[in-house]
Amino acid sequence: NAGVMQNPRHLVRRRGQEARLRCSPMKGHSHVYWYRQLPEEGLKFMVYLQKENIIDESGMPKERFSAEFPKEGPSILRIQQVVRGDSAAYFCASSLLPGQGPQETQYFGPGTRLLVL
Amino acid sequence: EDQVTQSPEALRLQEGESSSLNCSYTVSGLRGLFWYRQDPGKGPEFLFTLYSAGEEKEKERLKATLTKKESFLHITAPKPEDSATYLCAVQGPTGNQFYFGTGTSLTVIP
Repeated sequence: NAGVMQNPRHLVRRRGQEARLRCSPMKGHSHVYWYRQLPEEGLKFMVYLQKENIIDESGMPKERFSAEFPKEGPSILRIQQVVRGDSAAYFCASSLLPGQGPQETQYFGPGTRLLVL
Repeated sequence: EDQVTQSPEALRLQEGESSSLNCSYTVSGLRGLFWYRQDPGKGPEFLFTLYSAGEEKEKERLKATLTKKESFLHITAPKPEDSATYLCAVQGPTGNQFYFGTGTSLTVIP
């Protein structure tokens, strides 16, 4: 029973390049969340998606960042024209269903560590 | 503003020395409080969910409790393999996002 998968695990980009982070949710999960973790800081919510829909992007920076979760394939977090401040660990989580109860527990992937030179 | 505060930031225990970690929150309309364990270089690993004041959950040497303002993670007779950062997260009323504390870094010395 595979857990949440993320790739790549490590990504190095130069300033101005694009970064694409991928997330495959747990089998049967259709809800995906992206979080960012900066050194010495807690995980910060970025965006919540269901298949083909962005439900809540209140934590996403207005510029350069976008996310999608297509009908087929993994969820993608895309960062255009990266800057050094984008260096962080990006975690994806998935849940089975919304609503109170064990179904909405979020299970996390191993993360992608982005380093911008 | 919704906030989650964990204390202490770091805790060093001798093997077998029991202690408690604290998570206090100010999120209104709490839907759930979650505890995770995070090892260096890895993603958070789910431990417990608590939904209402007075609720308790146990797993091996860990026990989580919840009041209206805070949660405790009690560690009984810890072992070196319990060393990790323990994260508390609170689910707000919309249910869409978790608000995380900055964690307690636990080190258990043999």
